[in-house]
Amino acid sequence: KQEVTQIPAALSVPEGENLVLNCSFTDSAIYNLQWFRQDPGKGLTSLLLIQSSQREQTSGRLNASLDKSSGRSTLYIAASQPGDSATYLCAVRAGANNLFFGTGTRLTVIP
Amino acid sequence: NAGVTQTPKFQVLKTGQSMTLQCAQDMNHEYMSWYRQDPGMGLRLIHYSVGAGITDQGEVPNGYNVSRSTTEDFPLRLLSAAPSQTSVYFCASRVSGTQSLNYGYTFGSGTRLTVV
Repeated sequence: KQEVTQIPAALSVPEGENLVLNCSFTDSAIYNLQWFRQDPGKGLTSLLLIQSSQREQTSGRLNASLDKSSGRSTLYIAASQPGDSATYLCAVRAGANNLFFGTGTRLTVIP
Repeated sequence: NAGVTQTPKFQVLKTGQSMTLQCAQDMNHEYMSWYRQDPGMGLRLIHYSVGAGITDQGEVPNGYNVSRSTTEDFPLRLLSAAPSQTSVYFCASRVSGTQSLNYGYTFGSGTRLTVV
């Protein structure tokens, strides 16, 4: 069974700092990987989708990379802002009908 | 464009009661699914559907029932609620077929269920 791990579980950084969130998965046979943001008590907002053939995707201050062979993905957030405070979830689509989720990294950006 | 809509947002049930969590999407997605989110665990798949009239079990299906009579709606039924079903429930949808690899999942805002 695919297992997805996100480290660290929580992270606090001062505003303006660049940061990296990590995601690892055990089975490299994936279709794609999706990063989500979840605000407290809210649903999941999709940030970036990386297909298995891609190495990275960018959206604004966010950049996600994928190294399928090593089972790793990173989400880079540039010039962090207090509004970036949320839990970030990594999800791997490894089968036709399931996403495998990590438990998330709770990010706090301190003004 | 409403996306995926879930109702209710909050619900408290007594043990043994039944209820239906509603999920509707307006994106004409063939694939729909239900996940539950518990503290310290990643979201886990309960049931999914690849089209009207077709449903299948996910990782944690026990205690839940689903049906899919239309493309738009995918309700989740709890027949006899138990405290272990206290959780946050998310509905998600996506396109189907080979195109689905290019597109991700769209999630609803969730239903927070407490069983006492």
